[in-house]
Amino acid sequence: DIVMTQSPATLSVSPGESATLSCRASQSVSTNLAWYQKKPGQAPRLLIYAASIRATGIPARFSGSGSGTEFTLTISGLQSEDFAVYFCHQHNHWPQTFGQGTKLEIK
Amino acid sequence: QVTLKESGPALVEPTQTLTLTCSLSGVSLSSSGLRVNWLRQSPGKALEWLARIDWDDDKFYSTSLKTRLSISKDTSKNQVVLTMTNMDTVDTGTYYCARGANWLDPWGQGTRVTVSS
Repeated sequence: DIVMTQSPATLSVSPGESATLSCRASQSVSTNLAWYQKKPGQAPRLLIYAASIRATGIPARFSGSGSGTEFTLTISGLQSEDFAVYFCHQHNHWPQTFGQGTKLEIK
Repeated sequence: QVTLKESGPALVEPTQTLTLTCSLSGVSLSSSGLRVNWLRQSPGKALEWLARIDWDDDKFYSTSLKTRLSISKDTSKNQVVLTMTNMDTVDTGTYYCARGANWLDPWGQGTRVTVSS
């Protein structure tokens, strides 16, 4: 199975600043990668698909980049509602696999 | 707006069979191209994909759990049902259903299942 490694495990950032979250695949997944946001008690929310395409309704401050094995989710101008857990997901290889998540917390 | 909601027992005893239901609204299970997945997240672990059922009744299972899983759909109720046999404490976690063939959207809120005697 493809192993998805996210770093850091926890990221402390002040509101208004930017956050950069990383996701690395154990082998190339092309651009078949998605990012999700998870808040306690809520359903995971699709943010980015195909590595860099924002899902419907996702604010422009969320951006994704990368291909192959290295991917980045950048959140610019952090707002209070952005503090959550973020996880990546590859669906290029069977079975689809997920990273363990990065917790973005308020500094 | 498409929504999914999971339901099922919060507590299951070891060796029992778990039955979970995913209720869909805003879309029909018979809609061409619709695919519904089940996933889970055990404490401290990454999400794990379990199974998928398609609008045409094609079914797909996790290789490691295939012998214990069964996925089905009830089109009249617009529900997808997942059963997992021979539950163990390591199966404790939050179980989600989600729509999609590649990226997953939307997801349900999840239902927490504890396996304990």
